[in-house]
Amino acid sequence: EADIYQTPRYLVIGTGKKITLECSQTMGHDKMYWYQQDPGMELHLIHYSYGVNSTEKGDLSSESTVSRIRTEHFPLTLESARPSHTSQYLCASSAWTGASTDTQYFGPGTRLTVL
Amino acid sequence: KQEVTQIPAALSVPEGENLVLNCSFTDSAIYNLQWFRQDPGKGLTSLLLIQSSQREQTSGRLNASLDKSSGRSTLYIAASQPGDSATYLCAISNSGYALNFGKGTSLLVTP
Repeated sequence: EADIYQTPRYLVIGTGKKITLECSQTMGHDKMYWYQQDPGMELHLIHYSYGVNSTEKGDLSSESTVSRIRTEHFPLTLESARPSHTSQYLCASSAWTGASTDTQYFGPGTRLTVL
Repeated sequence: KQEVTQIPAALSVPEGENLVLNCSFTDSAIYNLQWFRQDPGKGLTSLLLIQSSQREQTSGRLNASLDKSSGRSTLYIAASQPGDSATYLCAISNSGYALNFGKGTSLLVTP
């Protein structure tokens, strides 16, 4: 079973607040990802990291930021939450095996509601 | 950009039936293809990963096939059970990092 954790699982917060969604994995994976999923819609990549001090934006534009100071930790921050940020945020990680990416393992997700 | 389409969007079958879920994609230059399962309010569970050089993968009652030339993959579930009820997602990696997801097939297996 994959060991990737996300906290909090659910968060309801007011507009303008700063929030940080936590993601940690104990598998030693170099690659980590953040996806956003609206109800009934597909997942979209918003950020990814190849390793410590490496972060890149994904295909879907997002006002969030990420950091990768430790291999196991990949937090996502929203400086000023807005109702349009209401969504489910899923963190994932994978190993790097030569020319292709291995299986991505997902955390349970954080369901964010901004009032 | 890779477009991933899953058909049908929803499927309801009686317990014990064999079933096939379909996934089509527009760009055949893929690294790998993964099938996931997502239960309501939860994260994704990886079911099968097919590398670009492979044609199929099997795990228990699940069999996934890949035909790059036609841009198709199928997930075959044998002898379906109520516990198989979930949303099944097809995802494709073209670049070795990001996954492009379909919207999924919502499966309901009735007792």
